[in-house]
Amino acid sequence: AQSVTQLDSQVPVFEEAPVELRCNYSSSVSVYLFWYVQYPNQGLQLLLKYLSGSTLVKGINGFEAEFNKSQTSFHLRKPSVHISDTAEYFCAVSVNRDDKIIFGKGTRLHILP
Amino acid sequence: NAGVMQNPRHLVRRRGQEARLRCSPMKGHSHVYWYRQLPEEGLKFMVYLQKENIIDESGMPKERFSAEFPKEGPSILRIQQVVRGDSAAYFCASSSRTGNSPLHFGNGTRLTVT
Repeated sequence: AQSVTQLDSQVPVFEEAPVELRCNYSSSVSVYLFWYVQYPNQGLQLLLKYLSGSTLVKGINGFEAEFNKSQTSFHLRKPSVHISDTAEYFCAVSVNRDDKIIFGKGTRLHILP
Repeated sequence: NAGVMQNPRHLVRRRGQEARLRCSPMKGHSHVYWYRQLPEEGLKFMVYLQKENIIDESGMPKERFSAEFPKEGPSILRIQQVVRGDSAAYFCASSSRTGNSPLHFGNGTRLTVT
């Protein structure tokens, strides 16, 4: 069965600094990969997704992620964070388009002034 | 607002009572998923339904929990004889599952069992 590991439960970053949120997955077959963001007291919103093709995926709000099959990783990056990026970020995996999506435990991004 | 609608937003139940959580998917979506969120544990998959069918309920507790998605009306997650450990945020998501459409989430129902 597939699984997702987000190694960092919290990441503090100064405003305007770059950030990388790590995500590793395990699956014996090809996967679809997602990053979602959750703002306080809200549901999750899709940031970006990797289905196939180019391994560098660009999403909303200036975020991007790179699919690395050999390292089974899908790390999320942003070159310069803003205070409004304060939220919890979830990496997720699905084996095929008709399967459930499995989420990691999330990473809280704290933006420091 | 054509998004996923969950109600109520907050639900308080005493131990032993029943909790009913409702989810109306986005217009045109026929696939519904329920997840439970506990602090520091992320989102745990519970059940995946299509209209009148349960596709995958591998994340549902064997007792007290049930879900349905009738031909007409919202999807319902039902918890009988609630216990304090059921206190959590329950999120519903829907998708069209045409192509590789992502999940669209509601704002959740926060269940508190006293």
